[in-house]
Amino acid sequence: DAGVIQSPRHEVTEMGQEVTLRCKPISGHDYLFWYRQTMMRGLELLIYFNNNVPIDDSGMPEDRFSAKMPNASFSTLKIQPSEPRDSAVYFCASSRDTYTDTQYFGPGTRLTVL
Amino acid sequence: GDSVTQMEGPVTLSEEAFLTINCTYTATGYPSLFWYVQYPGEGLQLLLKATKADDKGSNKGFEATYRKETTSFHLEKGSVQVSDSAVYFCALGRKSSGDKLTFGTGTRLAVRP
Repeated sequence: DAGVIQSPRHEVTEMGQEVTLRCKPISGHDYLFWYRQTMMRGLELLIYFNNNVPIDDSGMPEDRFSAKMPNASFSTLKIQPSEPRDSAVYFCASSRDTYTDTQYFGPGTRLTVL
Repeated sequence: GDSVTQMEGPVTLSEEAFLTINCTYTATGYPSLFWYVQYPGEGLQLLLKATKADDKGSNKGFEATYRKETTSFHLEKGSVQVSDSAVYFCALGRKSSGDKLTFGTGTRLAVRP
């Protein structure tokens, strides 16, 4: 299997612009997670999906962030408008089953908002 | 709520030294416990896990034992290599907290040749 695929790997944008991050989970995995990692706050869970349905979005920072999963093989995380404090590495992860199962992480998208 | 506490890093060791990274947790019931590792420029990957008390997880020479009595899951390796330099995350998952994991803050390990 190709593993979790994320694009782009790097994104540099200016404050106020819309940013869309993309994720393709491992085929057959029913769970998809979006995380954000910064030096200051560490690793934070933003939102996760089960069978394409958002289950818990309590980690989404504010209304500027939105996530969708239109089908089992694709998810997006959108930031509109972006701000410098959104600069971070964003990871997508997928797993086959519940909390006891291994989460497989993608390589991440490094976002820089100027 | 659930929480995971890891020892502060960075941890700097010479090659072939013994490694311990402490991890303690707070959670009710019987969580599953995990160690994930993040190599530079990569996403996290599972290193080992234990799903019930007294279980020992092991992989690539690393070991950790689920100690219910001390609520701990310390990571150990007898002889580290330069290639073990990475950030190590302890995590827990519990059914009643949903299908998500609670991660510690991570401990950076640097191994000198």
